[in-house]
Amino acid sequence: EPEVTQTPSHQVTQMGQEVILRCVPISNHLYFYWYRQILGQKVEFLVSFYNNEISEKSEIFDDQFSVERPDGSNFTLKIRSTKLEDSAMYFCASSAPGRGIDEQYFGPGTRLTVT
Amino acid sequence: GENVEQHPSTLSVQEGDSAVIKCTYSDSASNYFPWYKQELGKGPQLIIDIRSNVGEKKDQRIAVTLNKTAKHFSLHITETQPEDSAVYFCAASGRNTGFQKLVFGTGTRLLVSP
Repeated sequence: EPEVTQTPSHQVTQMGQEVILRCVPISNHLYFYWYRQILGQKVEFLVSFYNNEISEKSEIFDDQFSVERPDGSNFTLKIRSTKLEDSAMYFCASSAPGRGIDEQYFGPGTRLTVT
Repeated sequence: GENVEQHPSTLSVQEGDSAVIKCTYSDSASNYFPWYKQELGKGPQLIIDIRSNVGEKKDQRIAVTLNKTAKHFSLHITETQPEDSAVYFCAASGRNTGFQKLVFGTGTRLLVSP
C-alpha cells in the first residue's frame, strides 16, 4: 500500500540554525500539507500546497517557514532560523485530486528538537 | 474559526467491550469529519470519515455518527481488541475553515485490556 515517507525521523538542531524536513508524498497525489504536534498538544495545520504554490497557511506559518516541491517527488519544509518553540513533531500529508481531496494521508513524522 | 472539542481524554475498556469517543465542532459550515488513529511512534492513520450529507457510516467494527443539528460526531468501536489501543483524533474541515485545513481535536487515548 502506498504511503507518505518522511526524513529524517529525528532532527536535533541548535537555536538559530536552518533545518529542512523532507517528505515524499504518495505518488499520484497532488495536494500536500504540513502539520505539527507539540508534545501533548493537538495536531495543528501549518500549510497546504498545490500546483507549486501555497493554497492556505496558518498564523503559525510565518516568514521563518517556507515550503518547496524541488522535484517531482519531494516536498520540503524549511525553517530558516529555528526557535526553541519550534520543537515538535512535524507531519507531512498528501491527498489525491477529485473526490479524494479531503482524505489526507499522513507520514510518520519528523521529531524536531531545538536546543 | 473552527474549534473541535473531544472527550474523553482517556478511555480504558476490557477486550470485547465497546468504546465511544465524542467530538463537537463549532462551525456549522464544516462538512467533512475524519477520524485518525495514531499508534506510538507513527503518524495519524485515517480510519474512517463522514461527510455532512450522511448521518452514519460503518466499516466492520468501527462506525461514525454525525448530528449536524447538535454539531457533534462520534466514533464507535465494537468488540474492541488490544490492537485497538492507540490515540484517536477527530477532525473537521469545511468552507469557512478552509477546505484543505483539518482542525483536530485534542485526542483520546484508548487502552484495551486483555
